[in-house]
Amino acid sequence: AQKVTQAQTEISVVEKEDVTLDCVYETRDTTYYLFWYKQPPSGELVFLIRRNSFDEQNEISGRYSWNFQKSTSSFNFTITASQVVDSAVYFCALSEAERDAGKSTFGDGTTLTVKP
Amino acid sequence: DVKVTQSSRYLVKRTGEKVFLECVQDMDHENMFWYRQDPGLGLRLIYFSYDVKMKEKGDIPEGYSVSREKKERFSLILESASTNQTSMYLCASSFRARGHTVGYTFGSGTRLTVV
Repeated sequence: AQKVTQAQTEISVVEKEDVTLDCVYETRDTTYYLFWYKQPPSGELVFLIRRNSFDEQNEISGRYSWNFQKSTSSFNFTITASQVVDSAVYFCALSEAERDAGKSTFGDGTTLTVKP
Repeated sequence: DVKVTQSSRYLVKRTGEKVFLECVQDMDHENMFWYRQDPGLGLRLIYFSYDVKMKEKGDIPEGYSVSREKKERFSLILESASTNQTSMYLCASSFRARGHTVGYTFGSGTRLTVV
């Protein structure tokens, strides 16, 4: 069975601070996919990134970066120079390849509050 | 833009009522999903579908059923609503990719209160 753990329930930072959201996963599959989603106060989850298990390259997109470490089963998300608009609930998710329509298992989410 | 539309943003229903939550997507996606979101429990998969008239149970299907008569529409049905089904319901869709799994596009959610 697959499992995603986001140990940080809530994080509060002041604007311009860097913040890292942790994600640890469990799976027996050798092929799997990891995702991050953002849920702003408006409620609609927005897809941020997908990573497959064969690609351990870190990725950077503007102020966002992701660190995938297979050895520790972690897929952490860092926001550099945080802004108030980054305040949201962030979910990490795991999908075991394409069977079962690629269904995803989600972590419980981390609520990030960025204060001005 | 891909759109997943959930027909109601807020619903209040009485215990024992039959409740229909509708979800429509406009991008010809094969896969559709229903999740419920509760504080401290994240998103839990209720049912999913990978084709018209095809449905599969997720992790918490009890008390729910689904219908997918057309590719673009995936309905969640609460046969007899109970107070423990008060929750935020999220619909999502994705396309069938060859060799890799894609991320979801979510609707904006339906907050259901059962009284």
